[in-house]
Amino acid sequence: ETGVTQTPRHLVMGMTNKKSLKCEQHLGHNAMYWYKQSAKKPLELMFVYSLEERVENNSVPSRFSPECPNSSHLFLHLHTLQPEDSALYLCASSRDGRETQYFGPGTRLLVL
Amino acid sequence: AQKITQTQPGMFVQEKEAVTLDCTYDTSDPSYGLFWYKQPSSGEMIFLIYQGSYDQQNATEGRYSLNFQKARKSANLVISASQLGDSAMYFCAMREGWVGANNLFFGTGTRLTVIP
Repeated sequence: ETGVTQTPRHLVMGMTNKKSLKCEQHLGHNAMYWYKQSAKKPLELMFVYSLEERVENNSVPSRFSPECPNSSHLFLHLHTLQPEDSALYLCASSRDGRETQYFGPGTRLLVL
Repeated sequence: AQKITQTQPGMFVQEKEAVTLDCTYDTSDPSYGLFWYKQPSSGEMIFLIYQGSYDQQNATEGRYSLNFQKARKSANLVISASQLGDSAMYFCAMREGWVGANNLFFGTGTRLTVIP
């Protein structure tokens, strides 16, 4: 089983749609992360969860809503997105906040 | 100021040759960690190598080595005996501190192309 999985791999949505991205880690880690990767920009950290509690939210718009029901699963709920939200969304996990982060394959999101 | 700077947007290397990808960092924290990741066109970010600020020796992992020059604040990645499968984007990243140190700062990346 691959360490960190993400579904779907590709998503096209309209600005009025509601969708969710799912991330699952099989590494026994305690911290999980959402990153956004836009063209020609460094990866941007969006949310961090440690032991299922959100510990960091880097001023992300409220149209992005994370959920961490347990240490193995992380969701990113999307609603009323804008075209500039089109990007690659990467999930990562680590044993704790200081350890190496391992990434999933990402979800390529296109907002029309 | 940017935490991580990668000045080479693109690099080319002949197959079987070695290549160095540059990375400089900026921090005043004595405790930090430096990471290199590879991102093929498929999108997944693959961890390659880690160097801690207190590590005495340069990190090595197979064909990857990290040329850590603390005084110059540089952490260059050296790939030896390049293979066609090494063609990808390469990102340098830094974690500062130890307490609540969840944030990784990434550079803008270097696209490496291996020429047959």
